[in-house]
Amino acid sequence: NAGVTQTPKFRVLKTGQSMTLLCAQDMNHEYMYWYRQDPGMGLRLIHYSVGEGTTAKGEVPDGYNVSRLKKQNFLLGLESAAPSQTSVYFCASSYRTSPPRDEQFFGPGTRLTVL
Amino acid sequence: ILNVEQSPQSLHVQEGDSTNFTCSFPSSNFYALHWYRWETAKSPEALFVMTLNGDEKKKGRISATLNTKEGYSYLYIKGSQPEDSATYLCAFRASYDKVIFGPGTSLSVIP
Repeated sequence: NAGVTQTPKFRVLKTGQSMTLLCAQDMNHEYMYWYRQDPGMGLRLIHYSVGEGTTAKGEVPDGYNVSRLKKQNFLLGLESAAPSQTSVYFCASSYRTSPPRDEQFFGPGTRLTVL
Repeated sequence: ILNVEQSPQSLHVQEGDSTNFTCSFPSSNFYALHWYRWETAKSPEALFVMTLNGDEKKKGRISATLNTKEGYSYLYIKGSQPEDSATYLCAFRASYDKVIFGPGTSLSVIP
């Protein structure tokens, strides 16, 4: 199993450009998440999905959109990149448990720089 | 606003020393407390999931305790080794959409 994979690993954008980050998991997990990680701060949740076709906002959703058309994929889009979106982006997935207690499995991260 | 704190921010210990760090979290709406280990240039990996007050978990030389009533968890490493060098994250889970990560404790073990 590949686990959680992210594409691309690195990207440099100019202000105003758009891009999509792809997350894929092969563990049949229901939940998927997008986080950003900035120096001195913990992982902050951008958006998440509790199942195919559903998405919801996390702690820092502004400037991002997401889609989950297939259970195994979770896409993060930046429509008009800003320097404040320079960060390392991590995708994660987990099983659905009730109550929600399961550990998250993380991808390797995407380092994005916006000039 | 849910806030998760970790202390210390960073720690340097000699090989063979034992060490511990703290995660503080809200004492209400508790579902779970996770500990993750995050090595440089890698992804966070789960160490423990703790769900009940008084829980104690152990994996090799690493153990953790949980006090949900007062809102803290301790992570202990016995006889630290250089390969233990990493950032240790705790994550407080209040619901399926409320997972708050702490800023992490960075551990360096000096050979």
